[in-house]
Amino acid sequence: EAQVTQNPRYLITVTGKKLTVTCSQNMNHEYMSWYRQDPGLGLRQIYYSMNVEVTDKGDVPEGYKVSRKEKRNFPLILESPSPNQTSLYFCASMGQGSYEQYFGPGTRLTVT
Amino acid sequence: RKEVEQDPGPFNVPEGATVAFNCTYSNSASQSFFWYRQDCRKEPKLLMSVYSSGNEDGRFTAQLNRASQYISLLIRDSKLSDSATYLCVEMDSNYQLIWGAGTKLIIKP
Repeated sequence: EAQVTQNPRYLITVTGKKLTVTCSQNMNHEYMSWYRQDPGLGLRQIYYSMNVEVTDKGDVPEGYKVSRKEKRNFPLILESPSPNQTSLYFCASMGQGSYEQYFGPGTRLTVT
Repeated sequence: RKEVEQDPGPFNVPEGATVAFNCTYSNSASQSFFWYRQDCRKEPKLLMSVYSSGNEDGRFTAQLNRASQYISLLIRDSKLSDSATYLCVEMDSNYQLIWGAGTKLIIKP
C-alpha cells in the first residue's frame, strides 16, 4: 500500500529535550515536506526537500532541522523544543510531475 | 507572504442541500489551485484540482475566477460524509503551496 508514515503519532516532552519525528514514504517520491498546523492557521511549511541531500527552508524553519540522506526518509529534528512548538505536524511527499501531496497521519506534539 | 483566505465557518447544512464556499488569493500570477479535504484530526487529502475552465467530479464542482481572484467549491446533494474541513491551496510561481486555514462544513441529517 502506498503511504507516508510518521512516528511517533503522539509525543509529550519537556522543554529542551531533543527529539526526532520520523517520516518515511514508499512511493519513490522525490519531493518531501514538513508542515505544522495550528488552530486558525493554514498549514505552514517548515522545511522541504526536492531530492536526496537537497533541503530548503520553508516559511517557519526556526527551531527545526531536517536531513534527507535517503530518498524514502525525511526526519524532523527539534534540537531544543520549546512550548511554542506544540503543534500538529504533517509530513508529505509528492512525485515528480505531480501536484498531489500525500500526507502522513500526523504527529501531535506537546512541549511543556 | 501572499495569503489565501477562507471563511472558517462552520457551515451547518441539511443533508441533501447544495453548499458553496469561496477562497480568495492575492497572488495574481498563481496558476494552480487545489481543494483538499481534512477530516477531524486526520491528514489532508486532495479533493480536486481547480482548472481555469472549471472542474467537475461527481457532486463536486470547482471554479476559478481570475478577475476577482477567488476559487469556489460547490457540493450538490450533500451527504453526511461530506462533513469535513475543506482547505484551499494555491501554488505560487515557485511551485510552493500556500494553504488556507480551511472552511469547516457540517452536514446535518
